[in-house]
Amino acid sequence: EVLLVESGGGLVQPGGSLRLSCAASGFTFTNYWMHWVRQAPGKGLVWVSRVDHYGSDTKHADFVEGRFTVSRDNAKNTVFLEMTGLRVDDSAMYYCFTDVGWGQGTLVTVSS
Amino acid sequence: QSALTQPASMSGSPGQSITISCTGTSSDVGGNKYVTWVQQHPGKAPKVILYEVSKRPSGASNRFSGSKSGNTASLTISGLQAEDEADYYCASHSASGNCLFGGGTHLTVV
Repeated sequence: EVLLVESGGGLVQPGGSLRLSCAASGFTFTNYWMHWVRQAPGKGLVWVSRVDHYGSDTKHADFVEGRFTVSRDNAKNTVFLEMTGLRVDDSAMYYCFTDVGWGQGTLVTVSS
Repeated sequence: QSALTQPASMSGSPGQSITISCTGTSSDVGGNKYVTWVQQHPGKAPKVILYEVSKRPSGASNRFSGSKSGNTASLTISGLQAEDEADYYCASHSASGNCLFGGGTHLTVV
């Protein structure tokens, strides 16, 4: 069974930082790109970042470029999202996903 | 405005079949096999129901099927059931290396 478990969310002040993690199991981790997506309350899914199979190529949405960094550790079957310069409008549920599965999400709240 | 276009809402009766479309461009939907459909019930995390256009992950119902023609992918749900009432999103890899989502389709089973 594909399992993706996110952690690391929480309440942070504007300008602060968080590091999200997503631990994967139940599939061959290195076969898949890994993505982060976010969803604000009552809104749709918005793609944030992705990392290729071995972590050598990453892409980020324009609205997080320069603030967020995605990476992966294939030895630990884990993908990360380092978030800096957080803004109020970054508040959302953050999910990691791959072609064959989604996590349950971790909530990020940016507020003073 | 979302990068991929889906109908905002659809409805069907129990037992019927419905098809949800997802239209992109030759740089995304039409240009690769990596089209994914996810289902999201209120207050729940999304769940993959189809990947690579038409493949079902383990545990997904065989009432879900997928296809693609040109720049449009389609999700067909056969034998509609009350539990199918949910939001459905399509996603596609793009030539620029990112991933695009549709705006979501709210399916009502009446």
